[in-house]
Amino acid sequence: ETGVTQTPRHLVMGMTNKKSLKCEQHLGHNAMYWYKQSAKKPLELMFVYNFKEQTENNSVPSRFSPECPNSSHLFLHLHTLQPEDSALYLCASSQVWGPDEKLFFGSGTQLSVL
Amino acid sequence: TQLLEQSPQFLSIQEGENLTVYCNSSSVFSSLQWYRQEPGEGPVLLVTVVTGGEVKKLKRLTFQFGDARKDSSLHITAAQPGDTGLYLCAGHGSSNTGKLIFGQGTTLQVKP
Repeated sequence: ETGVTQTPRHLVMGMTNKKSLKCEQHLGHNAMYWYKQSAKKPLELMFVYNFKEQTENNSVPSRFSPECPNSSHLFLHLHTLQPEDSALYLCASSQVWGPDEKLFFGSGTQLSVL
Repeated sequence: TQLLEQSPQFLSIQEGENLTVYCNSSSVFSSLQWYRQEPGEGPVLLVTVVTGGEVKKLKRLTFQFGDARKDSSLHITAAQPGDTGLYLCAGHGSSNTGKLIFGQGTTLQVKP
């Protein structure tokens, strides 16, 4: 198993759909992250979980709902999204949440909202 | 708000050429990281620089952290098509949290 695995790799959904993104890490890390990557914009941190507790919510709209049942799994539940939410959603993990930590990223889910 | 500006945003060169990518800020960072992201994949960490003036080498890649810890550069010698990708710098700011601030990236295309 590779370090950080994301599924699905691609997702097309309508604005009224509900879907979930899944992330699993096999590195024994305690912090997990969701990032949004849009064209020509810096990576945007969305959520951070450290030891299963949410430590950061970067003013993300409520149509994005994260869930972290344990230190190895992270979900992002999506509902009533907008076309501008189309982007690459990246999951990452690190040993812990703290300064100078190194991130290990998954391959991402390319999301298209129609 | 701490920001990181990368330049150039896009670079297309021939195999064998040298290039430098810059990452600049008006703020001090405790450390800076460089990532490379290939199409269809997530970013992969290349290096972390921590000390002002620090220089690190990774084969043909040379990374430097500015003396004042506000900027960094990545120099590639004799670029190869395998170096093609998006190069991202990211820094941990002064708030002592784990929040990484990313630059917008430099897309490098190396043509054979």
